[in-house]
Formats: sequence, structure tokens, C-alpha cells
Amino acid sequence: NAGVTQTPKFQVLKTGQSMTLQCAQDMNHEYMSWYRQDPGMGLRLIHYSVGAGITDQGEVPNGYNVSRSTTEDFPLRLLSAAPSQTSVYFCASSYSRVRSTQYFGPGTRLTVL
Amino acid sequence: GNSVTQMEGPVTLSEEAFLTINCTYTATGYPSLFWYVQYPGEGLQLLLKATKADDKGSNKGFEATYRKETTSFHLEKGSVQVSDSAVYFCALSEAQGAQKLVFGQGTRLTINP
Repeated sequence: NAGVTQTPKFQVLKTGQSMTLQCAQDMNHEYMSWYRQDPGMGLRLIHYSVGAGITDQGEVPNGYNVSRSTTEDFPLRLLSAAPSQTSVYFCASSYSRVRSTQYFGPGTRLTVL
Repeated sequence: GNSVTQMEGPVTLSEEAFLTINCTYTATGYPSLFWYVQYPGEGLQLLLKATKADDKGSNKGFEATYRKETTSFHLEKGSVQVSDSAVYFCALSEAQGAQKLVFGQGTRLTINP
């Protein structure tokens, strides 16, 4: 098992550019989510999915889109990057939506100039 | 809404010292409580958890007790090691529905030999 994988590890964008952060898990987990980590603020939930074809917004969804066409993959799209989106992004997954352990990927460090 | 407040860091201790990192929460209902650890350059790993009042979570010498009366989940370890140097996050998840984790701001711990 590779667990939760994320690509790329590092990315630098210019304001207005678009990109997709990739997340994949090989544990057949139903639940997947995206968080961003900013200094002094812990992690905040961006979007989450309770299964293929189902997504919903978290605490800070603006500027981000997601889709879940397969159980394994949960990409995060930035349509027009802004400096406020400079952050470290973590993907997580868990077996079910209720009270099961969430497993985190290694993160993507994004800088928007 | 739900929130988690952690002891501010950074915290610096000598090897074999006693560790306490305070965590208090505000939540409706009966959330599950977690401590996650983030080692340098890595994603978050679950350290321990408790799902109901008076439960004690423990792992790798760390312990935390779910105290509903004081809405607290303080992390303790009797004798820390250099390898415990990391950032520690307290988090809660809602009792019902999707597993949306709410994190504290994190506490950076450095252990000196």
C-alpha cells in the first residue's frame, strides 16, 4: 500500500495561473478531503467527498474546485491562483465518514507570486 | 461553531523532561478528539484519539484523557526524547455526519539532548 500520495511536492505559480493538485489513495477509502495549512492557523478544511460523485464544501472553499470521478482520486483545482492561496495543502482519506482514522498525504507546498 | 485552542508554542524541553501540551475545545454534542503529530517535512500522523468522555488515548508513551467537564484533551508524556521533536495538533471531529476535522493551531516542540 502506498497510502495517500500527493503530487507535486512543490509548486510555484504566478498570479492568475491555474493548476491541479493531485491526490490518490489505494486503500479503497470512501471519504477524502483537502486541507490547507497556514502558519499559526492549524489546518482548515477546503472540500471533502464522501464517495465517488459526491463532494461538498468545507470551511474555506473559495477559489478551489474539486471532483471525485473515482474512489481513488480527488484532485484539487485552482482556477486562477492568488497570493492568498500560498500554503501547504494536505489530502486525507478515511475508510468511512463516521469516526474512522484519517490518513494524511505528505503535502504540496504551493507558492503564488 | 466548533473550535480547538492549543497551548501556544514553541515549547523547548530537555531530554527526559515531562511534557504537557494543553488543548481545550468548544463543540456541540459529543465530538471525537485527536492528537496528530507532524515530523519535519512530513504529513500528519494520528498519535492518539478518544471517542467519548473519560476515555484515555495512548501511544508511544503519550497519553491524553477526554475530559468533558473541563472540555479538555491535554497531551502528556513522562519522559520526552529528541525524536519527539515535531509539531503537535489537537483536533476534533463532529459526533455525527461527515468527518470534518477542526484543528488547533499546532504546537512546535523541540527537545534538546
